[in-house]
Amino acid sequence: GQQVMQIPQYQHVQEGEDFTTYCNSSTTLSNIQWYKQRPGGHPVFLIQLVKSGEVKKQKRLTFQFGEAKKNSSLHITATQTTDVGTYFCAVGGGSQGNLIFGKGTKLSVKP
Amino acid sequence: DAGITQSPRYKITETGRQVTLMCHQTWSHSYMFWYRQDLGHGLRLIYYSAAADITDKGEVPDGYVVSRSKTENFPLTLESATRSQTSVYFCASSETGGGSGANVLTFGAGSRLTVL
Repeated sequence: GQQVMQIPQYQHVQEGEDFTTYCNSSTTLSNIQWYKQRPGGHPVFLIQLVKSGEVKKQKRLTFQFGEAKKNSSLHITATQTTDVGTYFCAVGGGSQGNLIFGKGTKLSVKP
Repeated sequence: DAGITQSPRYKITETGRQVTLMCHQTWSHSYMFWYRQDLGHGLRLIYYSAAADITDKGEVPDGYVVSRSKTENFPLTLESATRSQTSVYFCASSETGGGSGANVLTFGAGSRLTVL
């Protein structure tokens, strides 16, 4: 079935440094979604990318969808302690609507 | 997020017992999902449902049973709990489904289950 590889698994940064997480698929994706899960919380939808080469920004967060629609990235500029959490990408796994999640990148930010 | 609620939030049970985790949503979303989250495995889909009385297996369905007699409820039952089922369980719903990208998930707060 559909699989998506997400790297790195963990990332420790100093506050103010940038952070990037990547998702890669061996097959062409119709779309990709990104979610954030705060420690002890539940995943919360951030954004969805649909078009080849698409770039979307949310304040300090920049999301990109690769030209071949096989990879995506989430970049955070100048991290803050509020960015702490696990970031997941998710892709459609089948015709019935289920999403397949990457294993996530856990971000910790040292103040 | 108040539109999707899970209960109980925390549960401790013993091996072999039956446990039911409840999920209720108030949006009349067609699709509902159960995921389990374990360290090192991320979120894995257990079962999902496209509508009332329609359910299908996900990646890790063994040991679990679901039902969907009403659109708003999607209970997950562990018929005979095992220690390997100790996990955090998340229920989610979405308005639409399919691979087209319209199925944004809204998650409940989670149910933390410990099987002794």
